[in-house]
Amino acid sequence: GEDVEQSLFLSVREGDSSVINCTYTDSSSTYLYWYKQEPGAGLQLLTYIFSNMDMKQDQRLTVLLNKKDKHLSLRIADTQTGDSAIYFCAEPKGGGYNKLIFGAGTRLAVHP
Amino acid sequence: AAGVIQSPRHLIKEKRETATLKCYPIPRHDTVYWYQQGPGQDPQFLISFYEKMQSDKGSIPDRFSAQQFSDYHSELNMSSLELGDSALYFCASSAPRGELEQFFGPGTRLTVL
Repeated sequence: GEDVEQSLFLSVREGDSSVINCTYTDSSSTYLYWYKQEPGAGLQLLTYIFSNMDMKQDQRLTVLLNKKDKHLSLRIADTQTGDSAIYFCAEPKGGGYNKLIFGAGTRLAVHP
Repeated sequence: AAGVIQSPRHLIKEKRETATLKCYPIPRHDTVYWYQQGPGQDPQFLISFYEKMQSDKGSIPDRFSAQQFSDYHSELNMSSLELGDSALYFCASSAPRGELEQFFGPGTRLTVL
């Protein structure tokens, strides 16, 4: 996506933590999303964070938001082979109807 | 729980043909979004509808049109298909304004030969 940037690849060992980073451009975004896409499948919402939060934790997932730097990260603790997928960050745009602008996606590969 | 339904799941067409993709949102969801995801690309917003009216428009070619019907299902009509239209087309729906999550369907994979 033109407004949202992510690194394209990440390879981690099973059991390690994964950190996927994203930068966005619209400082007025009130919330930001992380979606997961497995091969040949649709988009699954993993989590979202409000812009008035710095951190959100949900089981193995931790989202960190740095509004000053417009930087968002997703940390997956104890990464498993089932976590192998493409992870997209997304921000809503367009007033009340909130079309999503996606980053290019980070392909996470988990190896034994 | 009911999810977003898209049909067909796979579609193969020749160049210059037409195609119609259908989307059935989650019951009581009034907003529908269409996205196009090319091979190795991120999803790109095409168009959205709220209460049967077009609410926003993205990078949708003039050859494409869409509408939302009285039962809230939506159809994406694609004419004069080109090879570059081959992609995964996602529909998403969201609940009445104020709800944050867009629920995505499984997508329709369109292949243009």
